[in-house]
Amino acid sequence: KAGVTQTPRYLIKTRGQQVTLSCSPISGHRSVSWYQQTPGQGLQFLFEYFSETQRNKGNFPGRFSGRQFSNSRSEMNVSTLELGDSALYLCASSLGVPESNQPQHFGDGTRLSIL
Amino acid sequence: QKEVEQNSGPLSVPEGAIASLNCTYSDRGSQSFFWYRQYSGKSPELIMFIYSNGDKEDGRFTAQLNKASQYVSLLIRDSQPSDSATYLCAVINDYKLSFGAGTTVTVRA
Repeated sequence: KAGVTQTPRYLIKTRGQQVTLSCSPISGHRSVSWYQQTPGQGLQFLFEYFSETQRNKGNFPGRFSGRQFSNSRSEMNVSTLELGDSALYLCASSLGVPESNQPQHFGDGTRLSIL
Repeated sequence: QKEVEQNSGPLSVPEGAIASLNCTYSDRGSQSFFWYRQYSGKSPELIMFIYSNGDKEDGRFTAQLNKASQYVSLLIRDSQPSDSATYLCAVINDYKLSFGAGTTVTVRA
């Protein structure tokens, strides 16, 4: 079974630009979550989607947004990029059955560098 | 208070020894607990999950959960050089995984 697929793997942007990252979950998984990982802050939760609905959101500014499509694929967007947005962005998927906290499986991540 | 705290590393153990990793969490209502392994430059890989009090064994790994003490641990028996990695404890609430800072383990040959 194919794992979680994230594209692109690497991205270089400049301040003020915007970026869109993509995530395809494991087949059959309906929940997709996004995390930011930096050396200073560790792994931090951005948001979680299930059946195209955001069920939870972390403490990030409104510049960070996401969406999920009917096929469970998800995208996250960051607008007006700042130097501090340089990080590894990780997507994770799980079965996401409501009321069930299933294990989440991570993709390889997108490494975003802001110049 | 951080949601998830792990014992500070790094932890260095000789090959063949037991590595013991500890984690505490703040939300008493938490129900599901996970251990992830992350090699340098790679993404986290799920190695164990535990939902009930007690021990859960999977190969050389044993997870232990004590909800009364809000404590979860991971034991790695017969440690191998390939176990050298950062181990992340995670707790899930409302579909959100909260991670500890991680403990870096080095297995000395």
